[in-house]
Amino acid sequence: EVVLTQSPGTLSLSPGEGATLSCRASQSVSSSYLAWYQQKPGQAPRLLIHAASSRAAGIPDRFSGSGSGTDFTLTISRLEPEDFAVYYCQHYGRSPLTFGGGTKVEIK
Amino acid sequence: EVQLVESGGGLVQPGGSLRLSCASSGFTFGNYAMSWVRQAPEKGLQWVSGISGSGGSISYADSVKGRFTISRDNSKNSLYLEMNSLRAEDTAIYYCAKATLYVVISDLVNWGQGTQVTVSS
Repeated sequence: EVVLTQSPGTLSLSPGEGATLSCRASQSVSSSYLAWYQQKPGQAPRLLIHAASSRAAGIPDRFSGSGSGTDFTLTISRLEPEDFAVYYCQHYGRSPLTFGGGTKVEIK
Repeated sequence: EVQLVESGGGLVQPGGSLRLSCASSGFTFGNYAMSWVRQAPEKGLQWVSGISGSGGSISYADSVKGRFTISRDNSKNSLYLEMNSLRAEDTAIYYCAKATLYVVISDLVNWGQGTQVTVSS
């Protein structure tokens, strides 16, 4: 099973600032089968990024993903008020699919 | 518009059973794999089980293997999760999610709003 470790656990930032979220895999993730999701309180998760760097439909270009192998990054270039949420990375290269523990981006 | 609506959650005693359903609309159901993902109170996401578009390929998380059974009825555009021998640690919101691909190993592009399962005496 691929274990995903996300850091930091919490990121305290102000609107307009940039955010860098990290996701590290316990073993190499084949063909960049790595996704990122956003979840707001009381809501279901929303797919942001798939294949490590491809934005899902309707996702603003301030969200970008990068990385390969075992180290992946989600970058939010300029935080909008609606971006404060919890972010999860997910590996889907093989079963079982696994999620990281999440990074909470909160308003400073 | 893709819609996924879960039902069947509730309060059940330890050792009991429950059957979750997920009704879908807005896409050709049999063309996509589906998964169940759960979230315990104040915790992160945990993938539970997935099934391919035809139903011929099924996978489970180790924590539910042998207790949970996933199935689908493509004629009814519906996904199911039969849960037996329930434990307190199965308490969570259970989400139904549509894969991007036909196979289980896929990202999850659409999600339902979830159904609450509480296991307690």
